Amino acid sequence: HVQLQESGPGLVKPSETLSLTCSVSGDSITDYCWSWIRQPPGKGLEWIGHRHCNGRNDYNPSLKGRVTVSIDTSKNLFSLRLTSVTAADTAVYYCATYKVTASGTVFDYWGPGTPVTVAS
Amino acid sequence: VLTQSPGTLSLSPGETATLSCTTSQNVNTDHLGWYQQKPGQAPRLLIYSTFHRPPGITDKFSGSGSGTDFSLTIRSLEPEDFAVYYCQLFGSSPLFSFGPGTKVDVK
Repeated sequence: HVQLQESGPGLVKPSETLSLTCSVSGDSITDYCWSWIRQPPGKGLEWIGHRHCNGRNDYNPSLKGRVTVSIDTSKNLFSLRLTSVTAADTAVYYCATYKVTASGTVFDYWGPGTPVTVAS
Repeated sequence: VLTQSPGTLSLSPGETATLSCTTSQNVNTDHLGWYQQKPGQAPRLLIYSTFHRPPGITDKFSGSGSGTDFSLTIRSLEPEDFAVYYCQLFGSSPLFSFGPGTKVDVK
């Protein structure tokens, strides 16, 4: 089955741009639909953005246009870009997915997560 | 908006846990799922479409509900079941949303 592995800088300065990638193995990235989800320390889960199987993107309105998600089919990579970060963006960031043939309402597969700290 | 109750549920091994998830408006039962999360791990899908278990999830986990009220029941708690449980809704705004979680810990 599909396997996911997030990677990123670990530490980002306030006001800078956070860029994360999710490396996909074990299956074709185009057979799945993709989301980024984050979890601040000691808190719950927050959905960030989604790449639908039809190529359309959806974003959490709470992130006010700071988010872009994209997919590179040649490299089997799913990416997140979050601009103008603040300490409130400190979290573990997960990529999560479901197969195009699945229910499309929950996430069957998750990466292990990558921690991101926003600090100067 | 999703709410979960209780915030913490303290039970002994062998007991049955009943976790509640309430939505602010009626939802399609196909749009409600549950996850288990252990410390330092990613969430794991337990239930989708209110009632259904993915392959590999034991039948000790069961989901029910309709309208605005949904439940996850965990039968005969074992040490590995003590964790945080989240309900998740699809199709509202935001597109995917999670409840605040219920922690099941050892009494």
